[in-house]
Amino acid sequence: DTAVSQTPKYLVTQMGNDKSIKCEQNLGHDTMYWYKQDSKKFLKIMFSYNNKELIINETVPNRFSPKSPDKAHLNLHINSLELGDSAVYFCASSQEGAKWRAKETQYFGPGTRLLVL
Amino acid sequence: SQQGEEDPQALSIQEGENATMNCSYKTSINNLQWYRQNSGRGLVHLILIRSNEREKHSGRLRVTLDTSKKSSSLLITASRAADTASYFCATVHLSNFGNEKLTFGTGTRLTIIP
Repeated sequence: DTAVSQTPKYLVTQMGNDKSIKCEQNLGHDTMYWYKQDSKKFLKIMFSYNNKELIINETVPNRFSPKSPDKAHLNLHINSLELGDSAVYFCASSQEGAKWRAKETQYFGPGTRLLVL
Repeated sequence: SQQGEEDPQALSIQEGENATMNCSYKTSINNLQWYRQNSGRGLVHLILIRSNEREKHSGRLRVTLDTSKKSSSLLITASRAADTASYFCATVHLSNFGNEKLTFGTGTRLTIIP
């Protein structure tokens, strides 16, 4: 009965590889997010989708491409991985209602720990 | 930077004592939220206080908001070992797309000593 789930939990890969992280929420929320948390625990939003539509794109390199096949899923594909991509990536969701506002509680997944060697 | 800043960065107290963490932010807000992150886990929402509220309680948590000083505090009373975690405040700001996003502070690492 996990609310927001992510796979994989850990991801160790070589520089230059392409990898994907998947996220699913069973809360019936309209909005999903990807955050990146660096080694200093600084949490920064990367993308957000509302009903499969991209609504936030925070100056993230083009190597990162989110995809939302439906409103319950938001996947993150990363091309040509670099050392600086090593971080913990969190997916989150919220129910903002018909008129989207980032004002409501967000529910976070457990995180995907990415290590690029 | 738009991010909030928590103070202190780290706090260690004895079990049973009260813990107070502060958050300062820079722009006007609609609401301010506090989240907890246990080591190796995702963030968990604790409490949301709206800009027209000054104080809010939830169990052992007490949050205050002073919009004139652009600051908030989180008080945990009668702390327990299980309260050991990082605590983040979050406020709403405009994103590059013109939509709103949550911006998280730098966090306070709280350690409760049994």
